[in-house]
Amino acid sequence: QVQLQESGPGLVKPSETLSLTCTVSGYSISSGYYWGWIRQPPGKGLEWIGSIYHSGSTYYNPSLKSRVTISVDTSKNQFSLKLSSVTAADTAVYYCARHYYYMDVWGKGTTVTVSS
Amino acid sequence: EIVLTQSPATLSLSPGERATLSCRASQSVSSYLAWYQQKPGQAPRLLIYDASNRATGIPARFSGSGSGTDFTLTISSLEPEDFAVYYCQQRSNGEGLTFGGGTKVEIK
Repeated sequence: QVQLQESGPGLVKPSETLSLTCTVSGYSISSGYYWGWIRQPPGKGLEWIGSIYHSGSTYYNPSLKSRVTISVDTSKNQFSLKLSSVTAADTAVYYCARHYYYMDVWGKGTTVTVSS
Repeated sequence: EIVLTQSPATLSLSPGERATLSCRASQSVSSYLAWYQQKPGQAPRLLIYDASNRATGIPARFSGSGSGTDFTLTISSLEPEDFAVYYCQQRSNGEGLTFGGGTKVEIK
């Protein structure tokens, strides 16, 4: 059974960099699929942040592209998100998910609050 | 960027009733559209992919239809566990993924 688990700080200061990691179990990242990040601000809808292919190629939401970096560590079966220069608008639940075109396996999500 | 517009924002129905949710794309996405269900405090769950295919383990009361710019998710007879928020999502070559704003199905 494929499982994804997000981890990282729950509180980030404005202007700093948000860093999250998604650990995958039950499936080898290097076997295929895209691995993506999605966020959901409190009381709002879903926003795709970006994704990385198992080979390492990436694609990002154009509205966030200048601040986002997604990387993969196949030796640890993990992939990571870095979002720079955060503001209060980046406060959200952050999910990682597996997908080709559609997200078929999701992590439970982790709440990140941007506040001083 | 392809924008997905979902309607209505809220649907108030009783258990046993039929629910019809709409998702409209700003330009054609062919049949590359999915539907997700999200309950409070939970991650979304994939229901329908490629507009009309049920994901693994999804009950037959959920069905999807449409192509191009207009899509519909139908729940034939609402069960108590179906009251949730539903999102559509498209994938388009070269532009990434986008979600609609969601439709909340609430108990009347």
